[in-house]
Amino acid sequence: QVTLKESGPALVKPTQTLTLTCTFSGFSLSTSGMRVSWIRQPPGKALEWLARIDWDDDKFYSASLKTRLTISKDTSKNQVVLTVTNMDPVDTATYYCARIPPNGVYFDYWGQGTLVTVSS
Amino acid sequence: QSALTQPRSVSGSPGQSVTISCTGTSSDVGGYNYISWYQQRPGKAPKLMIYDVSKRPSGVPDRFSGSKSGNTASLTISGLQAEDEADYYCCSYAGSYTWVFGGGTKLTVL
Repeated sequence: QVTLKESGPALVKPTQTLTLTCTFSGFSLSTSGMRVSWIRQPPGKALEWLARIDWDDDKFYSASLKTRLTISKDTSKNQVVLTVTNMDPVDTATYYCARIPPNGVYFDYWGQGTLVTVSS
Repeated sequence: QSALTQPRSVSGSPGQSVTISCTGTSSDVGGYNYISWYQQRPGKAPKLMIYDVSKRPSGVPDRFSGSKSGNTASLTISGLQAEDEADYYCCSYAGSYTWVFGGGTKLTVL
């Protein structure tokens, strides 16, 4: 059974760095072709793809946020970490991690999401 | 990349069919057969309903179908049921290992 769960602070101040952790089970990021992405959704708004990390440690980022995002993995802990620097109130959103299966170009399993509010 | 264009809302009565459109460009929807659709109920995570334009994951009813023509993809739900009421998002691969989502469509079952 594949599960993913996001964790991190619920509240951050403007200009701070956000660090989110996605802890997953039911699959391994060392499996060839496996990938995990981060996606966010501001309250009442649409989904926005942020970043992806692959089994071979390749990393890809949204062009509009590339300078502020870093994605990494700890395969032994079954975790993927996303950091977002210089947080702003417009970054207030529910942040999801999702799995991309081998040979797939879609997100087949999602975490429950974690709401991050940026406010002083 | 700009978000894909979806109607803000659609509605239908139980048993009817509804179609949700998703319009992009030749750089995303029109350029790849990697369209996926997600159902999101209030307060819940998105759920994969369609991938690769028209394929259904195991467990998704065959009332849900997908198609694409040019720069526009479509999700059709036939035999509408009350449980289908939710927000629906399209998503397209956009090249360079990136994805773009639609703005979302609220489906109301009358």
